[in-house]
Amino acid sequence: GAVVSQHPSWVICKSGTSVKIECRSLDFQATTMFWYRQFPKQSLMLMATSNEGSKATYEQGVEKDKFLINHASLTLSTLTVTSAHPEDSSFYICSARDTQGHQPQHFGDGTRLSIL
Amino acid sequence: TQLLEQSPQFLSIQEGENLTVYCNSSSVFSSLQWYRQEPGEGPVLLVTVVTGGEVKKLKRLTFQFGDARKDSSLHITAAQPGDTGLYLCAGGGSGTYKYIFGTGTRLKVLA
Repeated sequence: GAVVSQHPSWVICKSGTSVKIECRSLDFQATTMFWYRQFPKQSLMLMATSNEGSKATYEQGVEKDKFLINHASLTLSTLTVTSAHPEDSSFYICSARDTQGHQPQHFGDGTRLSIL
Repeated sequence: TQLLEQSPQFLSIQEGENLTVYCNSSSVFSSLQWYRQEPGEGPVLLVTVVTGGEVKKLKRLTFQFGDARKDSSLHITAAQPGDTGLYLCAGGGSGTYKYIFGTGTRLKVLA
């Protein structure tokens, strides 16, 4: 079945570092991908919709300059957390929209980001 | 802003008991999904409902979409420890591909 690969699965870095997270659709093309953020014991909060070949659409309250999204190909979207601080520590999950499959979106396994 | 409220937030029950989780909104959704998520992993899709009043069964799980497509319920019969996890509903609007997630219900089934 359709698989979405997210990398890295876990990253620890110092405050002020920029961190890039990749989301790849392995066996289907995804013109649209979504980025979510999840704090411990809470639900998923949609951050932005990533559109291949165009600018991402950010949800209200999400800083565009803080969370840079690039969707340069039909199988890859990246989220870069710029100048990360401890409050950016969270579980980041991507999903990819599958227009051909029976399931509207497929989720990656998430990236746990810890900023020291 | 579309909001999906789930109840209860937390539920701890004994193996063999039945339970129902509710997902409510004041907004109409073109489709609604239920997921289960384990710690440190992405959510796994359980079911998608699209028609008002629709009922779907998945082994011991029964899902219902409200007639007005504003709410949904998940009923688990004879819960097992393997059912433990975070249950999430997610609503999708007409003309948009994005899904808004509910507040979540954390279920723990004790052996």
